[in-house]
Amino acid sequence: DSGVTQTPKHLITATGQRVTLRCSPRSGDLSVYWYQQSLDQGLQFLIQYYNGEERAKGNILERFSAQQFPDLHSELNLSSLELGDSALYFCASRGDRGDYGYTFGSGTRLTVV
Amino acid sequence: KNQVEQSPQSLIILEGKNCTLQCNYTVSPFSNLRWYKQDTGRGPVSLTIMTFSENTKSNGRYTATLDADTKQSSLHITASQLSDSASYICVVRLPNTGNQFYFGTGTSLTVIP
Repeated sequence: DSGVTQTPKHLITATGQRVTLRCSPRSGDLSVYWYQQSLDQGLQFLIQYYNGEERAKGNILERFSAQQFPDLHSELNLSSLELGDSALYFCASRGDRGDYGYTFGSGTRLTVV
Repeated sequence: KNQVEQSPQSLIILEGKNCTLQCNYTVSPFSNLRWYKQDTGRGPVSLTIMTFSENTKSNGRYTATLDADTKQSSLHITASQLSDSASYICVVRLPNTGNQFYFGTGTSLTVIP
């Protein structure tokens, strides 16, 4: 157990639908990062939050949004889902001390049918 | 073009053998370069981290090297075990930024008995 918890582990939904992925960071970590991993694109950075505020945006579609709550858990909302959104979605947290490495969750596998 | 390229894309080796994975990058300068191991269905786990000025870093049977002149890094795995079967991802972090990372697409390693 890495300390980063993601739910659900698997999600199957239809095109056009909306889903919410949840992430609880490692205890004490203020930064939360969301990544999308597909077979052909590898890991793609989507968005980062730090202590409740958005810090950076990567290749995140307008149909996607995220937020980080006061208890530091984060949610990634994916709407108007398309078949191409099928992927593994990872959350990672990072502390402010030490080697600044990411700690990744186990991911949510999203399948859009 | 991806700023971090990894080769080979996939590799199959016999248990007990050694192997070397390559990472070529164009990002320069950079703050640090990490190798992650990602087991199937799990999030990536950091194996090694090297700063721009370091040449080598070991973590058990894993040894990473860095050649800043040729902009290449390699991950050498000694006496491979079945549990080494995973994807190995090279990640380069830009300097003076908290959140800009470039991910390679990974090498998929399969160790067979």
